[in-house]
Amino acid sequence: DAGVIQSPRHEVTEMGQEVTLRCKPISGHNSLFWYRQTMMRGLELLIYFNNNVPIDDSGMPEDRFSAKMPNASFSTLKIQPSEPRDSAVYFCASSFIGLQYFGPGTRLTVL
Amino acid sequence: TQLLEQSPQFLSIQEGENLTVYCNSSSVFSSLQWYRQEPGEGPVLLVTVVTGGEVKKLKRLTFQFGDARKDSSLHITAAQPGDTGLYLCAGDLNAGNNRKLIWGLGTSLAVNP
Repeated sequence: DAGVIQSPRHEVTEMGQEVTLRCKPISGHNSLFWYRQTMMRGLELLIYFNNNVPIDDSGMPEDRFSAKMPNASFSTLKIQPSEPRDSAVYFCASSFIGLQYFGPGTRLTVL
Repeated sequence: TQLLEQSPQFLSIQEGENLTVYCNSSSVFSSLQWYRQEPGEGPVLLVTVVTGGEVKKLKRLTFQFGDARKDSSLHITAAQPGDTGLYLCAGDLNAGNNRKLIWGLGTSLAVNP
């Protein structure tokens, strides 16, 4: 298995632009998590899905953030409009029996 | 808000030294996981501890879960440069599958040759 796949690996954009991050979970895993990691706050859970259904989105910062999981093999995290404070590394993880497997992350820089 | 506190935050040692890092909370966890994260990569699961007092060994790494399941420690014997990375602990507050985890901020370890 290729593991969790995320794209793009790096994204540089300007304030106000829309950003879409993509994730392909490990086949057979039925939970998917989106995290944001910064030096100051560490790893923060944004949202997680179970069987493609959003279960807990209490970590989503504000309405500018949205996430979808249209099927078991694909999820997106969208930021619109982006702001400089959104700069961070965004991780997707998929889970089986409670054990989480992380993708390589997307490093987002908003200028 | 339940928190996991990890200490020390930063640790720089020489190759061959021993070290222990800690993960503490006032909450009781059904299980606790340790991850290692290398620069530019996502965290990688090292071990899960479930039973109070449990000890697990992974080569030179020894993981212990506290008797009350509120804390955990990771001991590394004869550290090597390849052990360098960010060590994260994450606790599961609920039994069952696919629950969200409570994460510590991590211990950043540098092992110098």
